[in-house]
This record gives sequence, structure tokens and C-alpha cells, in this order.
Amino acid sequence: EDQVTQSPEALRLQEGESSSLNCSYTVSGLRGLFWYRQDPGKGPEFLFTLYSAGEEKEKERLKATLTKKESFLHITAPKPEDSATYLCAVTYSGAGSYQLTFGKGTKLSVIP
Amino acid sequence: NAGVTQTPKFQVLKTGQSMTLQCAQDMNHEYMSWYRQDPGMGLRLIHYSVGAGITDQGEVPNGYNVSRSTTEDFPLRLLSAAPSQTSVYFCASTAFGTYNEQFFGPGTRLTVL
Repeated sequence: EDQVTQSPEALRLQEGESSSLNCSYTVSGLRGLFWYRQDPGKGPEFLFTLYSAGEEKEKERLKATLTKKESFLHITAPKPEDSATYLCAVTYSGAGSYQLTFGKGTKLSVIP
Repeated sequence: NAGVTQTPKFQVLKTGQSMTLQCAQDMNHEYMSWYRQDPGMGLRLIHYSVGAGITDQGEVPNGYNVSRSTTEDFPLRLLSAAPSQTSVYFCASTAFGTYNEQFFGPGTRLTVL
């Protein structure tokens, strides 16, 4: 069973059409939940860290929220340049302090 | 700051050959790690280091070797390459003290024939 599950696997949006990506986790002792953006042929780029349920963080058109078992990445009025694969990862008390356990990602395509 | 740098960007090997993937960071980060990324799978941790002279295994360490002689460098060695090691390899680093962002390098795309 995957410890971090992202859905959907792929999402196509029209420019301006808001939506949410989901990241659910089954680990215990969550230390942090991370969102990364990855463009084709490049390394993951850090977006947010969330530490506790109820926490929210925003950056431009992106807003990340955290509950006890999942996180959402809300994309408001997306633009074509938001097209990328979005990765979710966690660190937890049962693993090394800085070891990231990743989901498989959601590939977002924003159509003009 | 250059951040995290990796060389080479692309590499093709034959089965049984050896090579070293280079990783360097100029942020004085204590923690460095290597991940591999395969289609349909999340990034998986290969090895990590919490400082010079200290390394440990991650989720998928078999077939890989690491050492950490300086804070800046963390090379990954493939002693006898196998087709199953065809992947994209990423190096990452972070500073101790928080669980904040880990900085990733641009990756090395390795093909083993």
C-alpha cells in the first residue's frame, strides 16, 4: 500500500478554470507535508511545507491546505505556465528525519 | 549561489560498466541525498548523508555506493551498471534545524544498455 497517494494522475484544465489536487497519506507521526512543482527535464522545485492540520499557505494562484489525513493544492484561475507535474511528499517519525516519501504526482495541463 | 549542481546531465552505459554521478552544493547544507525517479513511480531515496563521513541507506540502495568526504560533495557510484538502473537521478540537500525545503539538482538521465 502506498504511503502517499495523489489524485488525479492527470488533470486538464481550461485557462481560468479553478480546481484542486489531492494528496492523501497513511503515515503516522507526520512531521511535514511538502508540495513540489516539477517541469519536464528538471528537478523538483519547492512550493510549500505544511506542518499541522488546519494550516494553509498561499503563493500566487496556489493555495495548500492540510487536514489530518490529506492535503489539497488549490489552483485558482490557472494559466498555461502553471502546467507541470505537482509532487506531494511527507516526512514522518517512522523514517529518517529528512527522508522524503513521495507520491507519484499529478500532471497538470492548462489549455489556453 | 549555484545551488545544487549535478554532472553529467545525460549518460549512456553498457551493462557491467561503472561510473560516478557527481553532486555538489554551495549552501553549506549538512544533509544530502540521492533519489531516483522512474515512470509511474514516485521519487525513491537511494542513500543519504547527515554530514561529512556519515552516510546511510535509503529505500533502494542495492547496486549503489556513496561517500561524503566534504560538506559540499556527495557522489553516487554505480559499481556494475544494470538495465534496471536506467532512471533519472536527483541529488538534494537541506540544512538541519527545520523540516523546510530540500533543494533538488537538475538531474542526471542514465540509460544502461
